[in-house]
Amino acid sequence: GQQVMQIPQYQHVQEGEDFTTYCNSSTTLSNIQWYKQRPGGHPVFLIQLVKSGEVKKQKRLTFQFGEAKKNSSLHITATQTTDVGTYFCAGMIYNQGGKLIFGQGTELSVKP
Amino acid sequence: DAEITQSPRHKITETGRQVTLACHQTWNHNNMFWYRQDLGHGLRLIHYSYGVQDTNKGEVSDGYSVSRSNTEDLPLTLESAASSQTSVYFCASSRIRDRDIQYFGAGTRLSVL
Repeated sequence: GQQVMQIPQYQHVQEGEDFTTYCNSSTTLSNIQWYKQRPGGHPVFLIQLVKSGEVKKQKRLTFQFGEAKKNSSLHITATQTTDVGTYFCAGMIYNQGGKLIFGQGTELSVKP
Repeated sequence: DAEITQSPRHKITETGRQVTLACHQTWNHNNMFWYRQDLGHGLRLIHYSYGVQDTNKGEVSDGYSVSRSNTEDLPLTLESAASSQTSVYFCASSRIRDRDIQYFGAGTRLSVL
């Protein structure tokens, strides 16, 4: 069954507000990837985190990997309408045969 | 430019028919994957391949098969389509050294009536 849980499922924000999505695994992850899927589009790779406690930034996006490598977060500062879409985390769990396990995604809508 | 293409983009079929979805990539990636996407389930792995003649079952492989006869292609076959297989199907590929950084095709929307 699903071992990577992502919350919230939906988030509606006013443009300019911040947004955070959280990803939690029941087992230790070797790494975690974040993808963005625009409405009607396909998932697009954003970033990979590998090290315990790692923090990476891409402009207004901040990605964190937990110290225990069981959780991760994506924070967007001052959302824009271009941020609309579904954000997925995907973790590598070695006892799953080295396959990526995707979270259910968080759908972000931004009201101008 | 290198790319990954899926065909057809939309398909309507009847229950019990055999259906094949094509996936072709020009990046020379060794790894290829098939996922299905349904509301509330995110992306679920169907089958994957780490090279020519290599295929492996994913989380939801029942009713699906794949074959890998060359590096570029990984067709997905639904042996006898069922209504439960109505979904959006994504193909993805990745390099050997960055297996988890996957590049996705545009997807195929399949309806089984």
